[in-house]
Amino acid sequence: DAGVTQSPTHLIKTRGQQVTLRCSPISGHKSVSWYQQVLGQGPQFIFQYYEKEERGRGNFPDRFSARQFPNYSSELNVNALLLGDSALYLCASSRQTPRGANVLTFGAGSRLTVL
Amino acid sequence: GDSVTQMEGPVTLSEEAFLTINCTYTATGYPSLFWYVQYPGEGLQLLLKATKADDKGSNKGFEATYRKETTSFHLEKGSVQVSDSAVYFCALIFTNAGGTSYGKLTFGQGTILTVHP
Repeated sequence: DAGVTQSPTHLIKTRGQQVTLRCSPISGHKSVSWYQQVLGQGPQFIFQYYEKEERGRGNFPDRFSARQFPNYSSELNVNALLLGDSALYLCASSRQTPRGANVLTFGAGSRLTVL
Repeated sequence: GDSVTQMEGPVTLSEEAFLTINCTYTATGYPSLFWYVQYPGEGLQLLLKATKADDKGSNKGFEATYRKETTSFHLEKGSVQVSDSAVYFCALIFTNAGGTSYGKLTFGQGTILTVHP
């Protein structure tokens, strides 16, 4: 089975531009989460979507937005890019169960560089 | 708020040495605890987990025990290999009262492990 796939793997943008990152979850996983990992730090939670609804949001500005599609894939959008948005963006999927979706499987990430 | 603190790094060991990476957490409840590993240029891989007090997670020779009394989840391995060189992250997640979590993992800052031959 394919794991969590993310695209693009690398991209370079300039300040003020907009970027869209894409994520396809593992087949059967209905929950998708997004994390930002700045170099040398642990990942920080951005969003979580389940059944196409936002279920959680981290401490990120409104420039960050996301959505989930009927096939459970997801997009993360970042507007008005700043130098500080340079990071590895990780997508994770999980199988929501009555006992909790507490095991997340991560993709390899999209590395964004803002110049 | 919830937080995870890992021992300061980086950690440098010789092959076959014993490894301990300390992890403590602060949380208003009883989370599930995880260790993730990140190899150079890659995403995160789940290494092991524990969902309740006194549980021991284990995988690939690594072990960690959920200690509620000390709010700790230290990672250990008896004999490290060069291939274990990576960044290790301790993390926690909560389930809500209804038994459903919403995918929010809280991570520590990571510990870089380098193993020399």
